[in-house]
Amino acid sequence: GDSVTQMEGPVTLSEEAFLTINCTYTATGYPSLFWYVQYPGEGLQLLLKATKADDKGSNKGFEATYRKETTSFHLEKGSVQVSDSAVYFCALRYNQGGKLIFGQGTELSVKP
Amino acid sequence: GAGVSQSPSNKVTEKGKDVELRCDPISGHTALYWYRQSLGQGLEFLIYFQGNSAPDKSGLPSDRFSAERTGGSVSTLTIQRTQQEDSAVYLCASSLDNSPLHFGNGTRLTVT
Repeated sequence: GDSVTQMEGPVTLSEEAFLTINCTYTATGYPSLFWYVQYPGEGLQLLLKATKADDKGSNKGFEATYRKETTSFHLEKGSVQVSDSAVYFCALRYNQGGKLIFGQGTELSVKP
Repeated sequence: GAGVSQSPSNKVTEKGKDVELRCDPISGHTALYWYRQSLGQGLEFLIYFQGNSAPDKSGLPSDRFSAERTGGSVSTLTIQRTQQEDSAVYLCASSLDNSPLHFGNGTRLTVT
């Protein structure tokens, strides 16, 4: 069945470091891909999305490119801040609607 | 309302009791979702409503779990004869057709 796999956390970085959180997926069709973020004590928020192959989603300095050939949607940011500390979830969903299928989440901790 | 509202925000119950969790979606959102978030288990899909019907309830873990949605709006998730393994944060989300899901802050359920 369809699934999403993320790199295990926690990931600990110093402020201004480069961030990559790996995400790969298995899908029978052509889903949209998402990154959601959960800041401490808050609910899940959509960070960015991409709806088809080669699309790049971006928001708040984060980027991810939908790579069909490698079935990946890795999250990157050039210079992280302490305020980026959160749990990041990769997810897929088919364009016809229906449920989001989430990865297990990756905790990011950014130290000053 | 401005966002997805869930109540109560916290619920402590004794093993064997029934509980009801409520979700008020964003006004006009036709789709509603329930997820469960527990330590070590990530985000687990429970059930999806389109209007008042549930085309996908494949994630309900046992027949102790049920959900309904009335008037295409409010939804309740009921857990009968609660067990300690039911302790988790129960998240509700809503969306309009194929738009991204918007999540509430969740109900933290503790079964003692």
